[in-house]
Amino acid sequence: GAGVSQSPSNKVTEKGKDVELRCDPISGHTALYWYRQRLGQGLEFLIYFQGNSAPDKSGLPSDRFSAERTGESVSTLTIQRTQQEDSAVYLCASTLAGGIIYNEQFFGPGTRLTVL
Amino acid sequence: SQQGEEDPQALSIQEGENATMNCSYKTSINNLQWYRQNSGRGLVHLILIRSNEREKHSGRLRVTLDTSKKSSSLLITASRAADTASYFCALGYSTLTFGKGTMLLVSP
Repeated sequence: GAGVSQSPSNKVTEKGKDVELRCDPISGHTALYWYRQRLGQGLEFLIYFQGNSAPDKSGLPSDRFSAERTGESVSTLTIQRTQQEDSAVYLCASTLAGGIIYNEQFFGPGTRLTVL
Repeated sequence: SQQGEEDPQALSIQEGENATMNCSYKTSINNLQWYRQNSGRGLVHLILIRSNEREKHSGRLRVTLDTSKKSSSLLITASRAADTASYFCALGYSTLTFGKGTMLLVSP
């Protein structure tokens, strides 16, 4: 079956521009996560959606970052007024159910964002 | 927040040798996971070990967990060039916290 997909795979933008990254989770997965990975680093949690619950936004680094998810489908991560330090690979993951019942997270290929 | 720290940062071995990498953490955990990341397949879940388990196997992978020492190890036996990747331990229930990883290079 199809895995998690992300688009675009690469995005180059100029400082100050807004960007929108898209994630299509695996069908039926109720939980969706966004992570950021800077070069040579581990993953930083950004935001977590679980069903219709309010998202956990505790990892968003600033108010320039926001994300939306419609139901249990596509999610978009928006970065406004991009800065050079936003350059990273943005990874999306989905899982059957988050919270107490742990399920393996399935990751997409990521979007490599470069801010010039 | 929970975060594991992998050791060593980098490891270089020959095909056929075993590779061992470690993860240490500071808080109590309910489970610990290992993930692999390479350019070809992205980030992939390898194995999960729960806090009440001491050892778990999956193919050529063996994971141990010592909650008294707050550490876990990942052993890859009979390594192959295709095992070249970065390996991360991850902690948490729903939102995972990843360490910086161990970069493993397996030379033919």
